[in-house]
Amino acid sequence: SQQGEEDPQALSIQEGENATMNCSYKTSINNLQWYRQNSGRGLVHLILIRSNEREKHSGRLRVTLDTSKKSSSLLITASRAADTASYFCATEPNTGANSKLTFGKGITLSVRP
Amino acid sequence: GAGVSQTPSNKVTEKGKYVELRCDPISGHTALYWYRQSLGQGPEFLIYFQGTGAADDSGLPNDRFFAVRPEGSVSTLKIQRTERGDSAVYLCASSFSGVQETQYFGPGTRLLVL
Repeated sequence: SQQGEEDPQALSIQEGENATMNCSYKTSINNLQWYRQNSGRGLVHLILIRSNEREKHSGRLRVTLDTSKKSSSLLITASRAADTASYFCATEPNTGANSKLTFGKGITLSVRP
Repeated sequence: GAGVSQTPSNKVTEKGKYVELRCDPISGHTALYWYRQSLGQGPEFLIYFQGTGAADDSGLPNDRFFAVRPEGSVSTLKIQRTERGDSAVYLCASSFSGVQETQYFGPGTRLLVL
């Protein structure tokens, strides 16, 4: 079953614009991770935010986490054509020693040159 | 190598055949995971190893699927009597110790069952 629900399902923007993607989840978590995937193959880890953190930055990426609303957002600033990919949020459950990730269906981001 | 590697990259087989998919995790990583991704979907968890033992195999869809990690490093996912519905990309990931760690993914094996 897929816990994360990303929103929107698809996003098309102009190069230079910011892209905001949202993720909602259902159960208590240890952390939430965002991944990027090109051409349906390997996932590239972008950022991990723990349940006691509210915001993290990495380069042009900014991630927020609101555990009261069970939601997260990924902001990509000053987008580039190379950012075109599918983006997934994944949650690690707060159930002891199990670290399996539950993924959403993903968001398809297209950045037009 | 620096990352997780998986072989083969692509596998085409016939319905009813047996297949093995291999994963080489990052050296020193004790946790290893298998996920399966169908077209247009996010990855779905199959099995998680901590060292040599399967800590959680609740995601394996049925008893045709089996995975091993005999020496706590390389893992093999085995699928018996393959069915067309098994066609998907099989992804392997590893992390240093498991909980609260980043999972690093391999490039995946694309399995096509004809």
